[in-house]
Amino acid sequence: DIVMTQSPLFLPVTPGEPASISCRSSQSLLPSNGNTYFDWYLQKPGQSPQLLIYLVSTRASGVPDRFSGSGSGTDFTLKISRVEAEDVGVYYCMQALQLPHTFGQGTKLEIK
Amino acid sequence: QVQLQESGPGLVKASETLSLTCSVSGFSISSGFYWAWLRQPPGKGLDWIASIYHSGDTYYNPSLRSRVTMSVDTSQNYFSLQLNSVTASDTAVYFCARRAALTGYLNWGQGILVTVSS
Repeated sequence: DIVMTQSPLFLPVTPGEPASISCRSSQSLLPSNGNTYFDWYLQKPGQSPQLLIYLVSTRASGVPDRFSGSGSGTDFTLKISRVEAEDVGVYYCMQALQLPHTFGQGTKLEIK
Repeated sequence: QVQLQESGPGLVKASETLSLTCSVSGFSISSGFYWAWLRQPPGKGLDWIASIYHSGDTYYNPSLRSRVTMSVDTSQNYFSLQLNSVTASDTAVYFCARRAALTGYLNWGQGILVTVSS
């Protein structure tokens, strides 16, 4: 299985400040077809996960542009340009290059 | 608007079979996409269990393959999960979800907590 490792696991942020979450995969997620099957999800308290970003950097429908994704190969980053109160929850990275799809441990973002 | 809804017993006895159904509305399963089950043990992260394509091709997590069966009923527009010989470690919130090959798990059910009792 591909192991996904996130850091930090806990992220206290002041509203209006930026935030960044890293995710590293145990092997490269770049297949021969050029698509990197890597997603970011946010699970708000008491809710199901919601898709934020797919293919490393494409925002899902309705996701604010303060969220951005980047990276390649084995190292990926989710950035929030200005954190808002509604961004609290647990962020997960996920690889879909090969089965089983695997998730990072999660990063809990809280507002200071 | 695509909606998914899990249903099934919230309590299962150890060694018995967990059976869940995901009803889909707003989209025909037979039209495509991958349909999946994932789970989240209390206070822990997410695990992928299985996926099924509308054609019936199934894919299972190797860690559960010997105990899991996933099926689809396109006429009734739902898909199902069976997990045999459950133990306390199978206690989790179970989610059903829809995924396109490229665009991530787009839609999720609200989740159903299944507790395995001894």
